[in-house]
Amino acid sequence: GAVVSQHPSWVICKSGTSVKIECRSLDFQATTMFWYRQFPKQSLMLMATSNEGSKATYEQGVEKDKFLINHASLTLSTLTVTSAHPEDSSFYICSARVYFGDRGSEKLFFGSGTQLSVL
Amino acid sequence: KNQVEQSPQSLIILEGKNCTLQCNYTVSPFSNLRWYKQDTGRGPVSLTIMTFSENTKSNGRYTATLDADTKQSSLHITASQLSDSASYICVADSNYQLIWGAGTKLIIKP
Repeated sequence: GAVVSQHPSWVICKSGTSVKIECRSLDFQATTMFWYRQFPKQSLMLMATSNEGSKATYEQGVEKDKFLINHASLTLSTLTVTSAHPEDSSFYICSARVYFGDRGSEKLFFGSGTQLSVL
Repeated sequence: KNQVEQSPQSLIILEGKNCTLQCNYTVSPFSNLRWYKQDTGRGPVSLTIMTFSENTKSNGRYTATLDADTKQSSLHITASQLSDSASYICVADSNYQLIWGAGTKLIIKP
């Protein structure tokens, strides 16, 4: 199956600093990537949809100036948490959509996630 | 309102036993129903995807069922193994908008 690589796996930072998380599709081109956050014992919450070459579409309640998304190429999307605070501590996961044109279907492949801890 | 409800919230079973996880969904329009396995601290991994016309799909020891009339799905795990310990998440796809369930946390004990 398709592989989505997410880095770093975990990061600890001081309050007020910015953190960048990378999401790469290793063996396919992803025109659309998704960013989620997940709090302990809760399910994934979609933050934004990232489209290559255009601005990301943010879900209601997600601050676009705080969570900067860049999807400059077909294989890389980045999420930057700006001026991070302890309440931003969470598990962040990216995913990429792959279309199987011959079967008319699509699948989501997820990165391994990034645990962010803001002190 | 589009929503997905899963039960039970958590489940503990002995290794080798079978179990069934439940999912009720209310989404419109409905495209497909997905089951994911998520290990702690990892991203979800797809187990099955079923469209409206499919009522059962297997992936190894995992068998998902779908009743589009009652809007219910189940995930049956046969002969559980310790590595099956994870959260299992039911997701309803509504024209590429994914509605995520809260998941069932499954613990397999030796």
